[in-house]
Amino acid sequence: EVQLVDSGGGLVQPGRSLRLSCTASGFTLGDTSMNWVRQAPGRGLEWLGFIRSKTFGGTTEYAASVKGRFTISRDDSRGIAYLQMNSLKSEDTAVYYCARGGFDYWPNYFDYWGQGTLVTVSS
Amino acid sequence: QSALTQPASVSGSLGQSITISCTGTSSGVGGYDYVSWYQQHPGRAPKLIIYDVSNRPSGVPDRFSGSKSGNTASLTVSGIQAEDEADYYCSSFTSSSTPLVFGGGTKLTVL
Repeated sequence: EVQLVDSGGGLVQPGRSLRLSCTASGFTLGDTSMNWVRQAPGRGLEWLGFIRSKTFGGTTEYAASVKGRFTISRDDSRGIAYLQMNSLKSEDTAVYYCARGGFDYWPNYFDYWGQGTLVTVSS
Repeated sequence: QSALTQPASVSGSLGQSITISCTGTSSGVGGYDYVSWYQQHPGRAPKLIIYDVSNRPSGVPDRFSGSKSGNTASLTVSGIQAEDEADYYCSSFTSSSTPLVFGGGTKLTVL
């Protein structure tokens, strides 16, 4: 059974950093692209970025809104994808989801999602 | 403001059909067949129900269908059930600086 487990969320002060993890099971993480999506309280979904599989160079693409502040990486040997978030702002408060990409070269659809992890940015 | 425009809400009685629209641009919805739809119940992660405009993943009931005309994609739910009451989001690949965008979401109420 394919499963994604998001972790690493919590309360963080503005300006600080946080790293989220997405642990995969039931499939080979290295064979797929992985995405991060967030949802602010009471708001809609926002795509943040993705990382291609090693087959396609393991390169990344980001939303313009987070480019330069957020970094996605992967450790295929451990089956974990990461979202490194720097210089956090109050508007980054949201539930963060990892999601498996159904198409590898460009972000397209997301066939499995983690349960989400809540990040609260506040002093 | 979301890159894709959806109605904020739609409603229908049990057994009726409803359609949710998702309007983008020629560099997104109109230019690529990479439109997806997701269903989200309160407090839950989104679930993929349509991909590549009109394809249903295994296990998704065939009362859910998708289509596209020009810059507008549509999700139709035929014979809505009580469990279909949820938020629905469209998404599309785009050739802009942000390659994947979502709509603002549509709340489906089953009367």
